[in-house]
Amino acid sequence: DAGVTQSPTHLIKTRGQQVTLRCSPKSGHDTVSWYQQALGQGPQFIFQYYEEEERQRGNFPDRFSGHQFPNYSSELNVNALLLGDSALYLCASSLAGWGIDYGYTFGSGTRLTVV
Amino acid sequence: GENVEQHPSTLSVQEGDSAVIKCTYSDSASNYFPWYKQELGKGPQLIIDIRSNVGEKKDQRIAVTLNKTAKHFSLHITETQPEDSAVYFCAASLGSDYKLSFGAGTTVTVRA
Repeated sequence: DAGVTQSPTHLIKTRGQQVTLRCSPKSGHDTVSWYQQALGQGPQFIFQYYEEEERQRGNFPDRFSGHQFPNYSSELNVNALLLGDSALYLCASSLAGWGIDYGYTFGSGTRLTVV
Repeated sequence: GENVEQHPSTLSVQEGDSAVIKCTYSDSASNYFPWYKQELGKGPQLIIDIRSNVGEKKDQRIAVTLNKTAKHFSLHITETQPEDSAVYFCAASLGSDYKLSFGAGTTVTVRA
């Protein structure tokens, strides 16, 4: 049973460019959450997608946007990249009906470096 | 929003000794408190969690305690082993919320 898979694993982009990160949830999960983890810090919640809609958003600018597809996979898009966007981006999947306290599973992340 | 503080930021222990990590939270409505272990190059992995209606929970060498009045919770690792070396994060969540609020992490090093 595959867990949460994220692609790519590493990415280098130039300041001002746009980037798309991808996440496939664990089998049976229907909800995807995205987190940003800066070096030496804890993950920070970006947003959550359920039923192809953004259900909740953290304190991130509109440059951060997302999408969820009918097969529950998700994309995170970041426009106009800044050096400060360099971080590990984590995807977590879960099952909506179970709540956050059951089966919340993280992927290994995508390491984004902005130069 | 919820603010979670975690101490210490680094912890070095001799193999076989105990390790304790402490966290405080700001929102008294938070009711779910998981602990995650993150190894190099990997995502956070849930190691133990506790809900607000429970004061203590134990799973083999790992235990978590919760003091709702003081709004703090702690992770206890006994008989530490080299494979316990990692970064540990505490987190908190409201029951009606869809997100976890994380502490800044504790780097635990177990010396052989």
